[in-house]
Amino acid sequence: GQQVMQIPQYQHVQEGEDFTTYCNSSTTLSNIQWYKQRPGGHPVFLIQLVKSGEVKKQKRLTFQFGEAKKNSSLHITATQTTDVGTYFCAGREETSGSRLTFGEGTQLTVNP
Amino acid sequence: EPEVTQTPSHQVTQMGQEVILRCVPISNHLYFYWYRQILGQKVEFLVSFYNNEISEKSEIFDDQFSVERPDGSNFTLKIRSTKLEDSAMYFCAGSGTGGSNYGYTFGSGTRLTVV
Repeated sequence: GQQVMQIPQYQHVQEGEDFTTYCNSSTTLSNIQWYKQRPGGHPVFLIQLVKSGEVKKQKRLTFQFGEAKKNSSLHITATQTTDVGTYFCAGREETSGSRLTFGEGTQLTVNP
Repeated sequence: EPEVTQTPSHQVTQMGQEVILRCVPISNHLYFYWYRQILGQKVEFLVSFYNNEISEKSEIFDDQFSVERPDGSNFTLKIRSTKLEDSAMYFCAGSGTGGSNYGYTFGSGTRLTVV
């Protein structure tokens, strides 16, 4: 079955440093979504990417979808303590039904 | 902003007992999902539900599990004969007309503890 992998599993940064998490799927995706989960909270939708090579920005966050639609990345510029949480990518296989498969997540901690 | 509401927030149950987890989705959502997250692990797909029937289910969603929309609004997940390994956070989620082509709105979850 489809597997979605994320690296790194954990990332500790000093406030102001940049952060990147990478997502790879074993199969071609029709779209990729990114979610943020604060400690003790629930996943909150951030963005969806659909097109091959697509790049989207939300303030300090930059999201990319690979040309082959099998990988994606999230980059945060100049992290802040409010960025703390676990970032999940989630993708839907091009050939599958409604299932959205989540990656294992990258847990980000930011030291002030 | 509309919310997905889940009850109870925390459920403790004896092994072998049945539990029902409840969800009130956002009214204009058409697709509904249950996911679970074992502590510190990834969010795992259980089942998707559309037009009052299951549209897809995972390998985890065996005969022990069932979903219903009993009154056209509430959405329930029933776990029969709970096992210790069923302990997890269970999230209900919904999405609009495009299914997983749109972002999901998750509820705050029910933490199930099986003792």
